Amino acid sequence: QQQVKQSPQSLIVQKGGISIINCAYENTAFDYFPWYQQFPGKGPALLIAIRPDVSEKKEGRFTISFNKSAKQFSLHIMDSQPGDSATYFCAASWSNAGNMLTFGGGTRLMVKP
Amino acid sequence: KAGVTQTPRYLIKTRGQQVTLSCSPISGHRSVSWYQQTPGQGLQFLFEYFSETQRNKGNFPGRFSGRQFSNSRSEMNVSTLELGDSALYLCASSKRQGVRTEAFFGQGTRLTVV
Repeated sequence: QQQVKQSPQSLIVQKGGISIINCAYENTAFDYFPWYQQFPGKGPALLIAIRPDVSEKKEGRFTISFNKSAKQFSLHIMDSQPGDSATYFCAASWSNAGNMLTFGGGTRLMVKP
Repeated sequence: KAGVTQTPRYLIKTRGQQVTLSCSPISGHRSVSWYQQTPGQGLQFLFEYFSETQRNKGNFPGRFSGRQFSNSRSEMNVSTLELGDSALYLCASSKRQGVRTEAFFGQGTRLTVV
């Protein structure tokens, strides 16, 4: 079953805090795990992505942690800023599926000043 | 460099009608994918076109169809519209087909079926 479960659905964090969003997947064929950020009225934009042969990837304040055995991955936003307030989607894809992305349900993040 | 352009941005249609949405990918991108975004179901894959051929299809009824032209522009069509088809329809373009190819999304077309 090609499903990606994302939690929490919504998250409120104080400015400067750490935002953590978790995702779990079932299909072990998945081999690419991107995170997308979506602002109201805009389409999703790629934030950061990871392959399953890497346990962690960091780009600026954004870090993906990947646990292949548990089939889980998470996004950490360090020093969260009000400008980070958006909806975040995890996604997964696999080699035989072209560019098809299977998305998690999304997390609405609000960073309070 | 121009991004992905979707037209129209907003559309209101009546139940039973049909609708055609358009997507112009980033220049040089040959893969176009379509997604439906709703509050209840989230982002769901509709189909992908690469070099004018449908390469993948999601779990949607046959009322949803699409095509891609030789210039990579794509259209999707929904026939016999239902109230449940109200959604944001997103188009994503990628340079080539294959995993780990970044998908660039347009702003979407907001379809309301009344």
